[in-house]
Amino acid sequence: AQSVSQHNHHVILSEAASLELGCNYSYGGTVNLFWYVQYPGQHLQLLLKYFSGDPLVKGIKGFEAEFIKSKFSFNLRKPSVQWSDTAEYFCASDSGAGSYQLTFGKGTKLSVIP
Amino acid sequence: DTGVSQDPRHKITKRGQNVTFRCDPISEHNRLYWYRQTLGQGPEFLTYFQNEAQLEKSRLLSDRFSAERPKGSFSTLEIQRTEQGDSAMYLCASSSPVGREQYFGPGTRLTVT
Repeated sequence: AQSVSQHNHHVILSEAASLELGCNYSYGGTVNLFWYVQYPGQHLQLLLKYFSGDPLVKGIKGFEAEFIKSKFSFNLRKPSVQWSDTAEYFCASDSGAGSYQLTFGKGTKLSVIP
Repeated sequence: DTGVSQDPRHKITKRGQNVTFRCDPISEHNRLYWYRQTLGQGPEFLTYFQNEAQLEKSRLLSDRFSAERPKGSFSTLEIQRTEQGDSAMYLCASSSPVGREQYFGPGTRLTVT
C-alpha cells in the first residue's frame, strides 16, 4: 500500500523566512504528486501538482516543489513566507495508473509570526 | 465559478441513528470522491465514482457505509447505525475527465454523541 510521510508536524517561522516542508512517498512505480493547503476555516485547495517532466514545479502564491525520484521526495518550498501563509499543508500522491485515490500525509501546520 | 458543495455542513446525531450527506461536484466533472478526515490526520480515501459507477472502495468503508451517484451528478453517502468512531469530517472532491487533480468541498462535520 502507498504511504506518504510528512516529517514536520508543526513549523513556526517569522515573516520573510524561507520555508521547506518535507514529503516522502512510498510507491515505487509511476506516481503523481500534489500539495494541498488548508487555510483556517477554509477547505482544501490545490497548491501545485507534479505528473511528469520538469521535476521543479511552480504553484500558486510563490510556492514550488521539487520531485527527486531517487529520494522518493517531493518537498515544498517558498523563499519568503508571509503571515497569510499560516495554514496546514498536505502532501498527497496517487499511483499514476488506473487508481485515482489520493493518499495523504498527516499534514504540517505552518504558523508564520509577523 | 461554482465549486464542490456539500450539505449539511454540520451534523450532530445520536449513536445508532442513520445519517446521509450530499455532495454536488463541479459541473462537468465526471469523477467524484469521498474522503474522511479525523483530527490530526490527513484525509483518508473512502470511495470513488466515475459517472454513476462506483469503481473503488476502501477497506475503511464498512458495510454500514454506502455511497451512491445514481445519475452521475450529485452523490450521497449514508452511514447506518452510527458509532462514536464515525465522528469525523467527511470530504467530497471531484475531478474532470481530462485531469487528475481533485477539487475539494468544504466538508460535512459529523459528531456522534
